[in-house]
Amino acid sequence: GDSVTQMEGPVTLSEEAFLTINCTYTATGYPSLFWYVQYPGEGLQLLLKATKADDKGSNKGFEATYRKETTSFHLEKGSVQVSDSAVYFCALYTQGGSEKLVFGKGTKLTVNP
Amino acid sequence: SQTIHQWPATLVQPVGSPLSLECTVEGTSNPNLYWYRQAAGRGLQLLFYSVGIGQISSEVPQNLSASRPQDRQFILSSKKLLLSDSGFYLCAWIQGAGYGYTFGSGTRLTVV
Repeated sequence: GDSVTQMEGPVTLSEEAFLTINCTYTATGYPSLFWYVQYPGEGLQLLLKATKADDKGSNKGFEATYRKETTSFHLEKGSVQVSDSAVYFCALYTQGGSEKLVFGKGTKLTVNP
Repeated sequence: SQTIHQWPATLVQPVGSPLSLECTVEGTSNPNLYWYRQAAGRGLQLLFYSVGIGQISSEVPQNLSASRPQDRQFILSSKKLLLSDSGFYLCAWIQGAGYGYTFGSGTRLTVV
């Protein structure tokens, strides 16, 4: 079945550091890929998405590129801020498949001033 | 525009008491609806999903049940809560394959 493997956390960075959170997937079809963010005490929000190979999703300075050849969708940000501290989830959805999003286990990011 | 409502936001219930959490979606029809649970410091666990009225798929055998009495209403229930039912419950719907989920704001349930 479909699965998502996400970089284990927690990740602790200093403000303005470069961030990479790795995400790889296994899917039988052609999935759409997503990154969600969960700020402390809140629900999940869609951060960015990509629906086909070589698409780049971007939002709030975060980027991720859909790499079909490496089955990856790594999240990057050039300069993190304290306000980026949150849990990040990678996910995939295959239309005509299981009708549900498959999530990674989440990566907790803490950014220190 | 589409919105999703989930309530209550916080709930403290004694062991053995019943539970009813409600989720409604506005601005769309025939959405796929989902209930997830997130235990403290853990990832997301899919509990139930529904592709239509009266259609419920259960992912994990447990103390909970779900119902979909109306097209845009999804209810999570329990007849007798256990301590292990504590967690953060999230409702979500999906607009289509390229849109991903939209989540509700969640219900934090503490069973005491």
